Amino acid sequence: IAGITQAPTSQILAAGRRMTLRCTQDMRHNAMYWYRQDLGLGLRLIHYSNTAGTTGKGEVPDGYSVSRANTDDFPLTLASAVPSQTSVYFCASSDSLSGEQFFGPGTRLTVL
Amino acid sequence: LAKTTQPISMDSYEGQEVNITCSHNNIATNDYITWYQQFPSQGPRFIIQGYKTKVTNEVASLFIPADRKSSTLSLPRVSLSDTAVYYCLVGDLNTGFQKLVFGTGTRLLVSP
Repeated sequence: IAGITQAPTSQILAAGRRMTLRCTQDMRHNAMYWYRQDLGLGLRLIHYSNTAGTTGKGEVPDGYSVSRANTDDFPLTLASAVPSQTSVYFCASSDSLSGEQFFGPGTRLTVL
Repeated sequence: LAKTTQPISMDSYEGQEVNITCSHNNIATNDYITWYQQFPSQGPRFIIQGYKTKVTNEVASLFIPADRKSSTLSLPRVSLSDTAVYYCLVGDLNTGFQKLVFGTGTRLLVSP
C-alpha cells in the first residue's frame, strides 16, 4: 500500500452502537488527524496526534475517542453513535518537515 | 487559529486563468498559507504552500503581499478537471504539525 487507507469505505449504523473507523498510513508520518465533513461544508478537525503515544482534541471532539499506539495506525471510535454523527470522515497524516497533509479516501458513515 | 475568508463560488471557462483570493487579516508571524483542492467524494489534496512573496509549482502560483493579510491562488489555463472546491488555510508549520481550520472553501466551476 502507498499513502493512507481507511476502512470501511461506508457504513450504516444503528444509533447507540459502537463503531471504530480504521486509518493506516505507510509514510512513517509523525502527525495524524481525523476530520469530519458534513454535506456541503468544509472539514472540521475531530482529534489529532502529533506523535505516537499522544493525542489531542480538535474543534469537534465530543462523542469521539482516538488512540495512537504506534506510528502507522490512528483509529477513531464512536462509543455510542448518534444521528448527528452522520458524515464523511477523513483521516490524514503529515510529516515533520513540510506539514503537508495527505488525506485518505474517506469513510461515509450514516447513523440511523 | 487564523480565520480565512474566500469567495463561496467562482465560474470560469476552459483555457482562462483563475485567481482565487483569500483574506487572513489576523495571520500570525509563524503562520504559513496553504491551499488544498478537493474533488467530490475525495479527500483534499495539497496544491501549494507559501510564507511570503510568490511561490510557483507545476500546477499553480501563490501570491502573497508584504503584509500577508491576503493571498491569491492563481491557476493558469484551467481545464474542466479543475472543477473542484479550493480551500485556503493558515497555520504554524514550525513543528510540522498543523491544526488547520478548513472553511467552506471556494467552489470553482469550469465550463467548456
